[in-house]
Amino acid sequence: GQNIDQPTEMTATEGAIVQINCTYQTSGFNGLFWYQQHAGEAPTFLSYNVLDGLEEKGRFSSFLSRSKGYSYLLLKELQMKDSASYLCAVRDRPPGNTGKLIFGQGTTLQVKP
Amino acid sequence: GAVVSQHPSWVICKSGTSVKIECRSLDFQATTMFWYRQFPKQSLMLMATSNEGSKATYEQGVEKDKFLINHASLTLSTLTVTSAHPEDSSFYICSARDLAGGVVTGELFFGEGSRLTVL
Repeated sequence: GQNIDQPTEMTATEGAIVQINCTYQTSGFNGLFWYQQHAGEAPTFLSYNVLDGLEEKGRFSSFLSRSKGYSYLLLKELQMKDSASYLCAVRDRPPGNTGKLIFGQGTTLQVKP
Repeated sequence: GAVVSQHPSWVICKSGTSVKIECRSLDFQATTMFWYRQFPKQSLMLMATSNEGSKATYEQGVEKDKFLINHASLTLSTLTVTSAHPEDSSFYICSARDLAGGVVTGELFFGEGSRLTVL
């Protein structure tokens, strides 16, 4: 079966650093995605990992360990606007083979002043 | 990034009626689109994969006769919720992949979502 786990909620302080973990067990693996979703809006793409290691993109970084079925999203210098849900998603097959994204339940992050 | 547009954003309908939601890729062609449903404070659940020119592939537990999907062109997919009931009230989101522009990641671009309320 397909299983993707994330913490349900997290709280952090403005200016701090927060790490959101994601573990997965899927029948196939062809990349892991992180999306940000504000309430009532569609998800927006944040990052993509297909090889082990860290991908850095401004204040956001994402890490992947395929052997451990583990990823994290690191948010630095938190801002109030970072309050949102963060969705971890695994693609089960290559995109050219209509690989589909399987989403975790999402982590709701609340940033406090 | 590529733009995906959904319409309508909000729809309220009476129980027993049918509702059609459109999903358009505005600046790219999408041979494959995905339809998701999201209940409050829950994640996105894939309903079906919409393939241009062929039948959609439905996920387990999703009734194909209730959620009709048509992907008649490379830029348009439609989801019709037939004989809607209050339990169908949800946030429906479509997504598409721009293989040409996002060939490295194959990331999905999401529409704005359509919030359906069935009275």
